[in-house]
Amino acid sequence: AQSVTQLDSQVPVFEEAPVELRCNYSSSVSVYLFWYVQYPNQGLQLLLKYLSGSTLVKGINGFEAEFNKSQTSFHLRKPSVHISDTAEYFCAVSVGGATNKLIFGTGTLLAVQP
Amino acid sequence: GAGVSQSPRYKVAKRGQDVALRCDPISGHVSLFWYQQALGQGPEFLTYFQNEAQLDKSGLPSDRFFAERPEGSVSTLKIQRTQQEDSAVYLCASSLGWTESSYEQYFGPGTRLTVT
Repeated sequence: AQSVTQLDSQVPVFEEAPVELRCNYSSSVSVYLFWYVQYPNQGLQLLLKYLSGSTLVKGINGFEAEFNKSQTSFHLRKPSVHISDTAEYFCAVSVGGATNKLIFGTGTLLAVQP
Repeated sequence: GAGVSQSPRYKVAKRGQDVALRCDPISGHVSLFWYQQALGQGPEFLTYFQNEAQLDKSGLPSDRFFAERPEGSVSTLKIQRTQQEDSAVYLCASSLGWTESSYEQYFGPGTRLTVT
């Protein structure tokens, strides 16, 4: 079975500072990896995904993530955050196949302060 | 184009009532998913449809939960005899298909169910 761990439940950061949100996964088979963002009272929006190929993945809003197979990690980074980046961020994995269901972590609240 | 829509956005039910939650996926999307998101948690998979076929219902928590997608488009999640532990946000997502190039799932805004 697959699982996702997001160790940080909340990450406070000042505006224009860099940020890293950590994600580790567990799986005995190859996985696809995703980061979603959820603003208050809204659904989830895909930030970026890793399916195959280059391990450095760039997404929307200036976010990027690096897939590290040996560390089983997929950390999300942004060099300079804005107030508008304040939201809940979810890491998710999928093994693809017939169902392709997503397995989510518990989320990290990114709180950007002025 | 239009995204995934869900209705109602908010639902309050008394314990023991039946509820029906509706999902309108993006037109042409073959795959449809339902997730349950409890307060402060990540979404958890409930069930999956490929067109009208329900291929995976391993996440449905009890036989009080039932989902259908009779014409391969709109889907309804029904909860019978609601219990307080059913209180959560129910998210619907759709994707173009099930091949690697079409894996991205697009989420609706969710239905917040409160059972009193």
